Amino acid sequence: AQSVTQLGSHVSVSEGALVLLRCNYSSSVPPYLFWYVQYPNQGLQLLLKYTTGATLVKGINGFEAEFKKSETSFHLTKPSAHMSDAAEYFCAVSDDSSYKLIFGSGTRLLVRP
Amino acid sequence: DARVTQTPRHKVTEMGQEVTMRCQPILGHNTVFWYRQTMMQGLELLAYFRNRAPLDDSGMPKDRFSAEMPDATLATLKIQPSEPRDSAVYFCASGFSQSNYGYTFGSGTRLTVV
Repeated sequence: AQSVTQLGSHVSVSEGALVLLRCNYSSSVPPYLFWYVQYPNQGLQLLLKYTTGATLVKGINGFEAEFKKSETSFHLTKPSAHMSDAAEYFCAVSDDSSYKLIFGSGTRLLVRP
Repeated sequence: DARVTQTPRHKVTEMGQEVTMRCQPILGHNTVFWYRQTMMQGLELLAYFRNRAPLDDSGMPKDRFSAEMPDATLATLKIQPSEPRDSAVYFCASGFSQSNYGYTFGSGTRLTVV
């Protein structure tokens, strides 16, 4: 069965600082991995995805994530946080066996001025 | 931009009433998910469909919830009878069955059962 663990329900950074949001997954088949962002009172928006090929994937708004199979991780990073990055971020896993899309519990990013 | 449309956006109902939420997936998408989001439980997968066939609805309370896709342009989630604990935001998402395309979410239906 697939699962996703996001370490840290809240992460607080200063504006301009590095953003690092952690995600570890469990999957018995090759996974597809996603990061979504949710702003208040809105739906989820796809930030980036890993399918096959290059393990470092770039997404919107300057975010990127690296797939590390040996560590079963897919951490999300951004070199310099902006106030507008404050939102909740969800990591998710899927595959072409079950077609399920399973989410982690989410990490709320707070950006301090 | 193509979008997933959910109606209604907000619904307030009394306990015991029937509630129906609707989702129009993006044209051509063949996989549809229903999620429930609460502060306590986060995003829970309730049910999902591929080519209109239900693949898994094990996340739903079977005695009161039902999900259907009467045609490729409409997915419905019904609660009968509704209870206060059903208060949540319900999201629909659609995509292609090959998961590597990602999925597009609707704006959600905020349900309040009083």
